[in-house]
Amino acid sequence: EPEVTQTPSHQVTQMGQEVILRCVPISNHLYFYWYRQILGQKVEFLVSFYNNEISEKSEIFDDQFSVERPDGSNFTLKIRSTKLEDSAMYFCASNPATNEKLFFGSGTQLSVL
Amino acid sequence: QKEVEQNSGPLSVPEGAIASLNCTYSDRVSQSFFWYRQYSGKSPELIMSIYSNGDKEDGRFTAQLNKASQYVSLLIRDSQPSDSATYLCASTSGSARQLTFGSGTQLTVLP
Repeated sequence: EPEVTQTPSHQVTQMGQEVILRCVPISNHLYFYWYRQILGQKVEFLVSFYNNEISEKSEIFDDQFSVERPDGSNFTLKIRSTKLEDSAMYFCASNPATNEKLFFGSGTQLSVL
Repeated sequence: QKEVEQNSGPLSVPEGAIASLNCTYSDRVSQSFFWYRQYSGKSPELIMSIYSNGDKEDGRFTAQLNKASQYVSLLIRDSQPSDSATYLCASTSGSARQLTFGSGTQLTVLP
């Protein structure tokens, strides 16, 4: 089965630093997403992306966050100035259409010190 | 605010028994419902989706949806130790593509 690929699997950073989390969605998928899960808490929606623009975003996705599809394969999440509370597992996901199965990547565990 | 509520458990059942997982949702316009399985430290994996009232069966799994009661459930028949995981209920509403997840129910199947 095709996979969503995320790198790195673990990222440790200092508070205030910028991080970029990388994802390669499944090649024929059109919709891309970022979710996060703080340890022991719910999976939370951050942002969805379609046709090279953000289609939805949550309250969590403030000005410190941005997403980009710099080429035909990568989809990135940037956090400009990380905070301690940004420590979480970040999942990238994609699907070919909005009502079809959502494929999750294996996640990037972000630790902000 | 859209909420999806689950009994966090933990729920323990013996091997071979039926595990019953429940979920309620607050947004009456929610249209699509999903059950995901999440092993510790792993990403969510879709088990079932259900869109209309009634039951939907897939192998050992049966999802049940009651929109009038705003209730969705998952039954796992002949539970196996490998079913031990956290089960996440999720929904989408209207044209929104985002999934709203519940906090999950931790299931342990005892050999």
